[in-house]
Amino acid sequence: QQQVKQSPQSLIVQKGGIPIINCAYENTAFDYFPWYQQFPGKGPALLIAIRPDVSEKKEGRFTISFNKSAKQFSLHIMDSQPGDSATYFCAALSGNTPLVFGKGTRLSVIA
Amino acid sequence: NAGVTQTPKFQVLKTGQSMTLQCAQDMNHNSMYWYRQDPGMGLRLIYYSASEGTTDKGEVPNGYNVSRLNKREFSLRLESAAPSQTSVYFCASSEDGTPFPYGYTFGSGTRLTVV
Repeated sequence: QQQVKQSPQSLIVQKGGIPIINCAYENTAFDYFPWYQQFPGKGPALLIAIRPDVSEKKEGRFTISFNKSAKQFSLHIMDSQPGDSATYFCAALSGNTPLVFGKGTRLSVIA
Repeated sequence: NAGVTQTPKFQVLKTGQSMTLQCAQDMNHNSMYWYRQDPGMGLRLIYYSASEGTTDKGEVPNGYNVSRLNKREFSLRLESAAPSQTSVYFCASSEDGTPFPYGYTFGSGTRLTVV
């Protein structure tokens, strides 16, 4: 049973557009929700993370929106650039359990 | 540079062969993890070690064994490789089991092909 469901699988946007990637979860004990960015041939790297006590977090052009009642969270990339082309993973955990990851979204930003 | 180092970067095995994937971190982290990445499947946890001297199974442990050699090193062993174990393997570490706010640090991966 997949614990974190991520959509879409792939996404193509024009430069300057705002791609949105969505994730949903069932386990209400989850208390940490990070997003990871992965470039080809590299390991994933932490991009931004949120705890469930806030509804939004911004870091530069990246924003997490969190809806606790709907058990959903999303990543928005403002003014997207070709350099943002990568695979993005949402993830979640509760307490000291290891991170569980979504299946990933391959983003292409075209000029 | 501080981080997680994985060796080898690439490996081709024949079915039935064995091998050990090595992972070392120099950040004095307590927790270490092995994930595998397959197309369309995301990252799936194989084994993890919450602290030196402990190991636990993850989502997909069958066919693998691990050793937490010391605080720095966490190895993954395939005793009898199968084509289904063709994958990219990532080692990661975190300061402790609760990664907020620094997250997991991942290595650059080992691409393994079993023929």
